[in-house]
Amino acid sequence: IAGITQAPTSQILAAGRRMTLRCTQDMRHNAMYWYRQDLGLGLRLIHYSNTAGTTGKGEVPDGYSVSRANTDDFPLTLASAVPSQTSVYFCASSTSGGRNTQYFGPGTRLTVL
Amino acid sequence: DAKTTQPTSMDCAEGRAANLPCNHSTISGNEYVYWYRQIHSQGPQYIIHGLKNNETNEMASLIITEDRKSSTLILPHATLRDTAVYYCIVRVAASGGSYIPTFGRGTSLIVHP
Repeated sequence: IAGITQAPTSQILAAGRRMTLRCTQDMRHNAMYWYRQDLGLGLRLIHYSNTAGTTGKGEVPDGYSVSRANTDDFPLTLASAVPSQTSVYFCASSTSGGRNTQYFGPGTRLTVL
Repeated sequence: DAKTTQPTSMDCAEGRAANLPCNHSTISGNEYVYWYRQIHSQGPQYIIHGLKNNETNEMASLIITEDRKSSTLILPHATLRDTAVYYCIVRVAASGGSYIPTFGRGTSLIVHP
C-alpha cells in the first residue's frame, strides 16, 4: 500500500509557466487537501475537497486551482507561476473532513524563478 | 473558529519526558484536539487526538484540562528521533458545514543528548 504519493519530488520552474502538481491516494479517502509550507509560517491550506466532484478554498487559494474528478486524484495547478509560489507543497487525505486523521504525502519542493 | 497557541520552541534531554502545551481557549464543545508532528523535510505525521478524556497510545499521551481550554502532549521518554515540529490543531468549520483542520506554526522540539 503506497498511501499518498506526490509528483514531482521537486521542480524548478520559470515564472509565467503552468505547472500541475500531482497527488494520488490509494486509501479510498473521501477528503483531500493541499497545503503549502514556507519557512516560519507553518502549513497553510490552499484548497480542499470533501468528496469527489467538490472542492473548496482554504486560507491561501489565490493563484491555484484544483479538480477532483475521482476519489484517488487531486491535482493542484498553478496557471501562471510566480516567485512567491516557491514553497514546499504537501497533499493530504482523510476518511472525511475535519474530525478524522489526515495522512500526508512526502511533499513537492517547487522553486519559481 | 478555535485557534491554538503553542510555544515557539522547547528543548528536552534524551530519556526525559517532553511536555508540550497547547492553549485552545475558544474551542467548541464538539471540536477535537489533534496533535501531529513533522520531522525535518517530511510530511506531517498523526500522533494522537482527543475530545475531553485523556488519551494514550504507543507514541504519546494527551492530557486535556477539564474546561478543555488547554492540553498537553506528553512524550514519556523522548529520544533524539523525537526532534520535530509539533502541531496542535482543532477543527475549523468551513462553509457548508464541513470541517477543515488548520495548522499553526507549532512547537519546535529539540531533544538533546
